[in-house]
Amino acid sequence: ETGVTQSPTHLIKTRGQQVTLRCSSQSGHNTVSWYQQALGQGPQFIFQYYREEENGRGNFPPRFSGLQFPNYSSELNVNALELDDSALYLCASSWGFDSEAFFGQGTRLTVV
Amino acid sequence: QKEVEQNSGPLSVPEGAIASLNCTYSDRGSQSFFWYRQYSGKSPELIMFIYSNGDKEDGRFTAQLNKASQYVSLLIRDSQPSDSATYLCAVNYRPEGANSKLTFGKGITLSVRP
Repeated sequence: ETGVTQSPTHLIKTRGQQVTLRCSSQSGHNTVSWYQQALGQGPQFIFQYYREEENGRGNFPPRFSGLQFPNYSSELNVNALELDDSALYLCASSWGFDSEAFFGQGTRLTVV
Repeated sequence: QKEVEQNSGPLSVPEGAIASLNCTYSDRGSQSFFWYRQYSGKSPELIMFIYSNGDKEDGRFTAQLNKASQYVSLLIRDSQPSDSATYLCAVNYRPEGANSKLTFGKGITLSVRP
């Protein structure tokens, strides 16, 4: 166990809906990164939060947004869901943005 | 676009053999390198990280880094059926004045035959 927890573990949404995924970082970690992993692919970087501010963003549209709270937990919000958003969403926490990152168990999102 | 390439695989080795997993990366500015193991339906699990050229050993695992040739590898000695999983190579790069991000390869699936 990494100490990084995500909720929910599974989710089914309808195209056009909005979804919020949650992540609690490992104790002592101040950086949270979010990734999208499609079947058979490596995780793709969505964005990273460091001390409550966005600290980098991958090639994802603005309908992917997030925030980090003072306790360093984080949320990923996706608006106007599309079928292609169906994937495993992974949260990883670390101490700073260059050190080892540890993943939560992931949220499997299915958009129908 | 910074890229991380892994052999497409799958890789099959007999139990007790050495499994060799390779990874190349495109950006010479890359600074830290990680190997994750991912069982089917599960999230990635960090098994090795390396920052300096050379070898780093941890139990049955050895990570090797060659920055001049831009490759990083993972050796698994005395492979066990429980090592059967997808192995993801990840590279952390922080360009000057920009934020870092971890870039993953597609992964290679290892199968260890009893």
